[in-house]
Amino acid sequence: AQRVTQPEKLLSVFKGAPVELKCNYSYSGSPELFWYVQYSRQRLQLLLRHISRESIKGFTADLNKGETSFHLKKPFAQEEDSAMYYCALGAGGYQKVTFGTGTKLQVIP
Amino acid sequence: SAVISQKPSRDICQRGTSLTIQCQVDSQVTMMFWYRQQPGQSLTLIATANQGSEATYESGFVIDKFPISRPNLTFSTLTVSNMSPEDSSIYLCSAPTSGYNEQFFGPGTRLTVL
Repeated sequence: AQRVTQPEKLLSVFKGAPVELKCNYSYSGSPELFWYVQYSRQRLQLLLRHISRESIKGFTADLNKGETSFHLKKPFAQEEDSAMYYCALGAGGYQKVTFGTGTKLQVIP
Repeated sequence: SAVISQKPSRDICQRGTSLTIQCQVDSQVTMMFWYRQQPGQSLTLIATANQGSEATYESGFVIDKFPISRPNLTFSTLTVSNMSPEDSSIYLCSAPTSGYNEQFFGPGTRLTVL
């Protein structure tokens, strides 16, 4: 069975401080990991995917298979980063995605 | 990317009634997914809607309670039947439109059952 764990329900940081949102997964095969973001009153949207190894809005995430982690990082938090962040795991070709419980990021001005 | 719309955006319903939620995608997709997001909770997959075959339900969800239709490659409906206050939630549809399991989401339907 696949599982995604986000240990923090709420993470508060000051503007300009580094951000790290933790995500650990459990899956026996080759996972596809994603971070989704939901800004206030907006729909859930993809932030980034591990396979692209990209940086979006200053956020990066590296898949660490040894630690089964996919933590989301940003060196300097901005107020507009305040949102709900979900880590997600896609398994195989079935395209079924399992979501973590989410972490609310609150950036304090 | 895909554009996904849902109707209604919100509704307030009485206990014992049923509500059908529509989901429209602007491109043809093989699979569509229905999720539930209860207050303060994460997204829970209800079922996968496959065009031309019966929906596949996740553990804890049954067809009698959440019947799903998928008449073509751009449209699906989810019915919440015989509603109770515990069904109050946001219901989301999604579809993967790339080869990377990336999901595009609809705006959600906020359901309140009194």
